[in-house]
Amino acid sequence: DVKVTQSSRYLVKRTGEKVFLECVQDMDHENMFWYRQDPGLGLRLIYFSYDVKMKEKGDIPEGYSVSREKKERFSLILESASTNQTSMYLCASSWGGANIQYFGAGTRLSVL
Amino acid sequence: TQLLEQSPQFLSIQEGENLTVYCNSSSVFSSLQWYRQEPGEGPVLLVTVVTGGEVKKLKRLTFQFGDARKDSSLHITAAQPGDTGLYLCAGNAGGTSYGKLTFGQGTILTVHP
Repeated sequence: DVKVTQSSRYLVKRTGEKVFLECVQDMDHENMFWYRQDPGLGLRLIYFSYDVKMKEKGDIPEGYSVSREKKERFSLILESASTNQTSMYLCASSWGGANIQYFGAGTRLSVL
Repeated sequence: TQLLEQSPQFLSIQEGENLTVYCNSSSVFSSLQWYRQEPGEGPVLLVTVVTGGEVKKLKRLTFQFGDARKDSSLHITAAQPGDTGLYLCAGNAGGTSYGKLTFGQGTILTVHP
């Protein structure tokens, strides 16, 4: 079974802190994605990566950056957390040519 | 940017009732997927439809892709409390999109015993 693991289920951070969200997949997938999920807005794509060290902006990249140094790991970075970044963050991965995405369980981030 | 409008946003029904969730866009998608998400978990794929007019059945769930590949529907027959969850449609534009998906806003379904 494909497994996508997000390092934390819950995080509480202070405004201005630098926050790292980690995601690891064990199926050698080329593509990895970071979304945020807010009620009534569905999933919105923050960044995605189609190869090691490659990244592209999604629909809402402002205030976020990403890092993919190894194929299995994709990190989301909040450079200076703000209260409007309080949300559920979901990581997903997929094979290069496929569009079926496998999701982690999510990280619920609260920024106080 | 492609958009997917999903409706209704909320559905609260009694066990045994039928329901339909709609997903509409002005854009053409090469494929469309339906995911189900339970509280505290990530979305899990239910089905992918790729051909205009395609109908797929998964037990009591029937999925249809519009002829023009711009819309889709999910119909549940005789809903059960175990069907409770968030249902999401997601479209793929195809081409060199690297498997990116555009998600609808989601439908929160509650089935009461």
